Amino acid sequence: DTEVTQTPKHLVMGMTNKKSLKCEQHMGHRAMYWYKQKAKKPPELMFVYSYEKLSINESVPSRFSPECPNSSLLNLHLHALQPEDSALYLCASSQDQGFRNTIYFGEGSWLTVV
Amino acid sequence: RKEVEQDPGPFNVPEGATVAFNCTYSNSASQSFFWYRQDCRKEPKLLMSVYSSGNEDGRFTAQLNRASQYISLLIRDSKLSDSATYLCVVVTGANNLFFGTGTRLTVIP
Repeated sequence: DTEVTQTPKHLVMGMTNKKSLKCEQHMGHRAMYWYKQKAKKPPELMFVYSYEKLSINESVPSRFSPECPNSSLLNLHLHALQPEDSALYLCASSQDQGFRNTIYFGEGSWLTVV
Repeated sequence: RKEVEQDPGPFNVPEGATVAFNCTYSNSASQSFFWYRQDCRKEPKLLMSVYSSGNEDGRFTAQLNRASQYISLLIRDSKLSDSATYLCVVVTGANNLFFGTGTRLTVIP
């Protein structure tokens, strides 16, 4: 079983709603990631936090807002999403951003925007 | 040109067969290489890291060819449970990961 826990597993939201996806890891990892994955496509990087600071933002629209309250938690706040934002959102973590570190994924949150 | 190119398949092979996937990468400065497995509607899970010397884990063998800039995954004696999508991952710089599109494998009884 994955040691990266994501909630909720499924979320349906309207285009005017505000919701959040949550991610937690207790492996002592200092790098945490959000990825977006559409059907039959590979995961696409959205954000990277390193030591609780945002280090990479892959030109993600502002309707997605990440937050890292502490070294174990990573949130993704969602507001005014579009139907095309429906996807699997994967949280991941690694020991740090060193290139040899394995990235471990959570089970993902399935998001449907209606 | 894509950072990582991978044949999407599908590969349909009978049980017991040997199957190989290749993945090419464009950045010669790439530093780390991995194979991940992703089952339908599940998260990617690390299958193997790939080292220059090659590495083997049971029925799975991974190879890296830096000169030709490709990595490979060989699966021997395929099992039904090997059916999944196999993603190659290439790391350049500070955990700048690039995923291949994934190769879909179906092992047929």
